[in-house]
Amino acid sequence: GAVVSQHPSRVICKSGTSVKIECRSLDFQATTMFWYRQFPKQSLMLMATSNEGSKATYEQGVEKDKFLINHASLTLSTLTVTSAHPEDSSFYICSAMLAGEEEQYFGPGTRLTVT
Amino acid sequence: TQLLEQSPQFLSIQEGENLTVYCNSSSVFSSLQWYRQEPGEGPVLLVTVVTGGEVKKLKRLTFQFGDARKDSSLHITAAQPGDTGLYLCAGEGTTDSWGKLQFGAGTQVVVTP
Repeated sequence: GAVVSQHPSRVICKSGTSVKIECRSLDFQATTMFWYRQFPKQSLMLMATSNEGSKATYEQGVEKDKFLINHASLTLSTLTVTSAHPEDSSFYICSAMLAGEEEQYFGPGTRLTVT
Repeated sequence: TQLLEQSPQFLSIQEGENLTVYCNSSSVFSSLQWYRQEPGEGPVLLVTVVTGGEVKKLKRLTFQFGDARKDSSLHITAAQPGDTGLYLCAGEGTTDSWGKLQFGAGTQVVVTP
């Protein structure tokens, strides 16, 4: 089956620093990847849609200059949290879609803690 | 925004009992998906329902999509401890939202031996 990985699985950073999270589709090409954020005991909230070779589309309320998304290849999308603050601490999950299909395959998530 | 409301928020039952989780919205969805998520992991797709009135079965799990494609239910028969997890429904909208999923808040299910 389609496998999506994320790296790192956990990261702790200091307030004001930037953190990059990678999302890879391991055995398929993903023209579209999605980034979600999940706070404790809450559901997944879509942050942005990432299409290979084009600019990401951000959901309302998500700052594009703070959450930089790059989808440089059909197997890799990165989310960079710039100038992180404690309120950015969350579980970040990506998903990837095979070209021509509707099913999304989710990564295992990245736990970000900003101190 | 198409809101999906899940109920109940939390469900604790004994092994062998049955349970039903509901997912309701005032909006129509082109498809609705059910996921199960373990702590510290990403959600895993259980099923996708597309047609109004559709019923799908996955072993002891039965999924139903409402006739109007606004609501869905997940029924587990003879629950087992391995069924413990956070169950999420997610709907895909009908206009300008291809691929975008709106998730419900989730139902935490705990099955005790």
